[in-house]
Amino acid sequence: DAGVTQSPTHLIKTRGQQVTLRCSPISGHKSVSWYQQVLGQGPQFIFQYYEKEERGRGNFPDRFSARQFPNYSSELNVNALLLGDSALYLCASSVLSGMGETQYFGPGTRLLVL
Amino acid sequence: AQKITQTQPGMFVQEKEAVTLDCTYDTSDPSYGLFWYKQPSSGEMIFLIYQGSYDQQNATEGRYSLNFQKARKSANLVISASQLGDSAMYFCAMRWDQTGANNLFFGTGTRLTVIP
Repeated sequence: DAGVTQSPTHLIKTRGQQVTLRCSPISGHKSVSWYQQVLGQGPQFIFQYYEKEERGRGNFPDRFSARQFPNYSSELNVNALLLGDSALYLCASSVLSGMGETQYFGPGTRLLVL
Repeated sequence: AQKITQTQPGMFVQEKEAVTLDCTYDTSDPSYGLFWYKQPSSGEMIFLIYQGSYDQQNATEGRYSLNFQKARKSANLVISASQLGDSAMYFCAMRWDQTGANNLFFGTGTRLTVIP
């Protein structure tokens, strides 16, 4: 089975622009989570979606938004990009949203904001 | 507040030897899960092993085992018979069931280098 896929793999934007990142979960997985990993740090939780509903939100500004589609794929949108938004954005999927669920990660999208 | 601490920024191990990567955590929630992930230079986080707070036995997955000491709030990863392909960043992560969300909180990671 295919793993979690993300697109694009790399992206370069300038300050003030908007970006959309995409994620397709493992087949059969209904929950998608987004994480931001700044260089030299561990990933930080941004959003979790389950069955198209937001289940959790991390400590990120309203410039960050996300949604999940009926096929369980997801998009992460970031508006008014700042230099500090440069990071690896990771998507993870799991079957359900419960605590015992293991999350499986995609290869990430590397975003560079100039 | 919940917290995950990895105190070893970098570790070296000789090929075929065992290595222990440290992880301590802090939470007042009795129900939580502990995870270890491997991140090669490609960036993808690879799930290695899981330990639930109520699990009586230490988790094992092939060459990976988790030394879970609940009273000390530690969850160290032991890699046996190290291989060159084990060179990567390793992250300890925790999840607890306060909000029902499935989000993970990660430590700062340990860079493991396996020496031939």
